[in-house]
Amino acid sequence: GENVGLHLPTLSVQEGDNSIINCAYSNSASDYFIWYKQESGKGPQFIIDIRSNMDKRQGQRVTVLLNKTVKHLSLQIAATQPGDSAVYFCASSTGANSKLTFGKGITLSVRP
Amino acid sequence: KAGVTQTPRYLIKTRGQQVTLSCSPISGHRSVSWYQQTPGQGLQFLFEYFSETQRNKGNFPGRFSGRQFSNSRSEMNVSTLELGDSALYLCASSLSAQTYGYTFGSGTRLTVV
Repeated sequence: GENVGLHLPTLSVQEGDNSIINCAYSNSASDYFIWYKQESGKGPQFIIDIRSNMDKRQGQRVTVLLNKTVKHLSLQIAATQPGDSAVYFCASSTGANSKLTFGKGITLSVRP
Repeated sequence: KAGVTQTPRYLIKTRGQQVTLSCSPISGHRSVSWYQQTPGQGLQFLFEYFSETQRNKGNFPGRFSGRQFSNSRSEMNVSTLELGDSALYLCASSLSAQTYGYTFGSGTRLTVV
């Protein structure tokens, strides 16, 4: 079955620094990828997505990079803020399947 | 516009009982998916409904079931509860039967004692 996993369980960064969160996936048929942020007591919140026909997509302070050759996905957060502290999940799906497969999650902690 | 609403927010049930959770999607969204979130297994797909039809199902036992009504509201039911069913149950809605534009609710925290 498909496996989507994160490399590190926790990440601690200094406020103002850039954060990079990495994710690996195993299903080469995956063609849609999403990053979610989950704060305590809330459901996952959409951050940014990317389709397999792209290798980079930028949003506000966030960039997602996709490397299909090595099946790797990363989320870059510029000028990390205390409000960015949360658990981050990567997820993937295929075009013909509405199911999302999630990674385990990584906790981002921002030091003031 | 209102987001995805899940009720109740918290539930405590005893082993062997059954439970029904409710999800009201964003207005106009016709696809509703359910996920189970636990510390050990993370987020796992339960099932997805579109226009009152189950279109996709995850690898959960038959004790887990769901349905969708004509107004797109969805319910999931877990029968013969086990301690391991303790989890955060999340509902997500989207316009179509694909994952684009998925919006999650805040979940129902189920504790089985």
